[in-house]
Amino acid sequence: QQQVKQSPQSLIVQKGGISIINCAYENTAFDYFPWYQQFPGKGPALLIAIRPDVSEKKEGRFTISFNKSAKQFSLHIMDSQPGDSATYFCAASTWLTGGGNKLTFGTGTQLKVEL
Amino acid sequence: ETGVTQSPTHLIKTRGQQVTLRCSSQSGHNTVSWYQQALGQGPQFIFQYYREEENGRGNFPPRFSGLQFPNYSSELNVNALELDDSALYLCASSSHGGGNTYGYTFGSGTRLTVV
Repeated sequence: QQQVKQSPQSLIVQKGGISIINCAYENTAFDYFPWYQQFPGKGPALLIAIRPDVSEKKEGRFTISFNKSAKQFSLHIMDSQPGDSATYFCAASTWLTGGGNKLTFGTGTQLKVEL
Repeated sequence: ETGVTQSPTHLIKTRGQQVTLRCSSQSGHNTVSWYQQALGQGPQFIFQYYREEENGRGNFPPRFSGLQFPNYSSELNVNALELDDSALYLCASSSHGGGNTYGYTFGSGTRLTVV
């Protein structure tokens, strides 16, 4: 059961262009939405995150747009660089009964930035 | 400050065998979560440990079990290995209740191949 749907599966962008990755969710219990970047042979690394009471968050070249009513959120990478070539995962967090939280991940987007 | 370290990095096991994977959490973190990442997929939550007890569990059978030690390190044990258990196993540490605020720190994972 896939609770977070991510698209596209792969994306090729020219250097300097804008990369856009979209995610949608159904579970209204999700209350925190991080994006992770993963390079081959490495674990995911937190890139940027947003709470559902905020419609947009920007950190450097990375921006999350969040539409609570549509249950959709997206990652925008401005001025994309070859070093941004990686797999990107959206995720959504829910609380566990013991007080911690777990992440539900999308299926990932493989981004390639060409010169 | 050290990050999350996992061992071994790779291993090959035969179907039906048992395996133990190890994880040392990041300094200052007291909660450890384990995720399974199949090839080309997003990580899936296995379980979380806090105060040496299981704090939440995903949709994985009982042959997946874990431990957390007083120094917050953790082990993932998988019995009766199946071919479908072949995956990258990721350990992530966080501060209890702080995962939503600070996100997880993931290790680089253990690549398990079951033949």
